[in-house]
Amino acid sequence: AQSVAQPEDQVNVAEGNPLTVKCTYSVSGNPYLFWYVQYPNRGLQFLLKYITGDNLVKGSYGFEAEFNKSQTSFHLKKPSALVSDSALYFCAVRDNTGGFKTIFGAGTRLFVKA
Amino acid sequence: GAVVSQHPSWVICKSGTSVKIECRSLDFQATTMFWYRQFPKQSLMLMATSNEGSKATYEQGVEKDKFLINHASLTLSTLTVTSAHPEDSSFYICSAGRLAGGLDEQFFGPGTRLTVL
Repeated sequence: AQSVAQPEDQVNVAEGNPLTVKCTYSVSGNPYLFWYVQYPNRGLQFLLKYITGDNLVKGSYGFEAEFNKSQTSFHLKKPSALVSDSALYFCAVRDNTGGFKTIFGAGTRLFVKA
Repeated sequence: GAVVSQHPSWVICKSGTSVKIECRSLDFQATTMFWYRQFPKQSLMLMATSNEGSKATYEQGVEKDKFLINHASLTLSTLTVTSAHPEDSSFYICSAGRLAGGLDEQFFGPGTRLTVL
């Protein structure tokens, strides 16, 4: 069965510092991996995805994620955090056997302090 | 990019009434639509998957008679919460999927906040 784990409920970082939001996954076969961001009372906004190819994926708003197959991880990173990055971040996995069913992690709340 | 809308964005209703939430893909035809439920400070829980013209597939533990899903066209799906009760209060998010160059893409609506008094 597919699963996604986000081990941190909350991440605190100072503005200008690098940030990392962790995600590990479990899926049979090669996964499709996603990161989404959610602002209060809003739907999900797509940040980036990994399908195949380079392990470092660049996405929206300066975010990037590194796919590590041996560690089954897909951590979200940004070199310099902004206060406006404060939001709820979800990692998600979908198997590539067809269909759209996506499993979401529990979410990590990011607080960026000025 | 593809846009998915939901209506209403928020609704307050009395216990025992039914509420209908619409999900529309505005600029593409959605092969499949999904309904999620999100409790405060929690993740999205998939409720059901629907394909146009066929019955929805509900996840385990989701009452299909309570959460009626209709997917009448490739651009519209509706979720009706029947005989709503306070415990149904939640944030409901739909998503629409399409095939793009052989790759599935999924786009999310802005969500609907339901409050049942």
